[in-house]
Amino acid sequence: DIVMTQSPDSLAVSLGERATINCKSSQSVLYSSNNKNYLAWYQQKPGQPPKMLIYWASTRESGVPDRFSGSGSGTDFTLTISSLQAEDVAVYYCQQYYSSPPLFGQGTKLEIK
Amino acid sequence: EVQLLESGGGLVQPGGSLRLSCAASGFTFSSYAMSWVRQAPGKGLEWVSGISGSGGSAYYADSVKGRFTISRDNSKNTLYLQMNSLRAEDTALYYCAKNCPPRSFGSYSWDSWGQGTLVTVSS
Repeated sequence: DIVMTQSPDSLAVSLGERATINCKSSQSVLYSSNNKNYLAWYQQKPGQPPKMLIYWASTRESGVPDRFSGSGSGTDFTLTISSLQAEDVAVYYCQQYYSSPPLFGQGTKLEIK
Repeated sequence: EVQLLESGGGLVQPGGSLRLSCAASGFTFSSYAMSWVRQAPGKGLEWVSGISGSGGSAYYADSVKGRFTISRDNSKNTLYLQMNSLRAEDTALYYCAKNCPPRSFGSYSWDSWGQGTLVTVSS
């Protein structure tokens, strides 16, 4: 199984500041045949289901604000929120879809400082 | 607009059974694989099971293999999860999720989720 580990477990950032969440996979999720990283990011707000934000490690889902960006390749990935808004308070999960089982990271709780 | 509406959750004793349903609308149901993903209270996300668009292929997490059965009725646009031999550790909110469009390689990711149905296993 490809295990996903996020850091930090929780994060407090001031409004308008940058938030950075890291995700590391136990094996590479880069598929050499198409040069794509099989890595997604989800946002889960309190009392709501998860929502996909980013797939292929860096492609924003339709309708996702451009302050959200994903980067990284191979085993190390980052989700960046360039200017934190109040509505971004949530738990964020990375997830690999390179192989089964499709595992999630443990989640990072993002709060306002 | 994609809509996924789960039902069938509730309180069940250890060793008991429950059947979850997910009514789908807003997309061509038979064209997409579907999954169940669960979340224990205060915990993270865990994929439970997935099924191909035709229903011909099904996959399970090791934690539920042999106890849970996923199925679908494409004529009714409905996904099911039959859960047997339930344990306390199966207590969770169970989400129905629509898989992203099929790829030639790789596993599952999900672009639409229902609100979930709560399963509580307790005596």
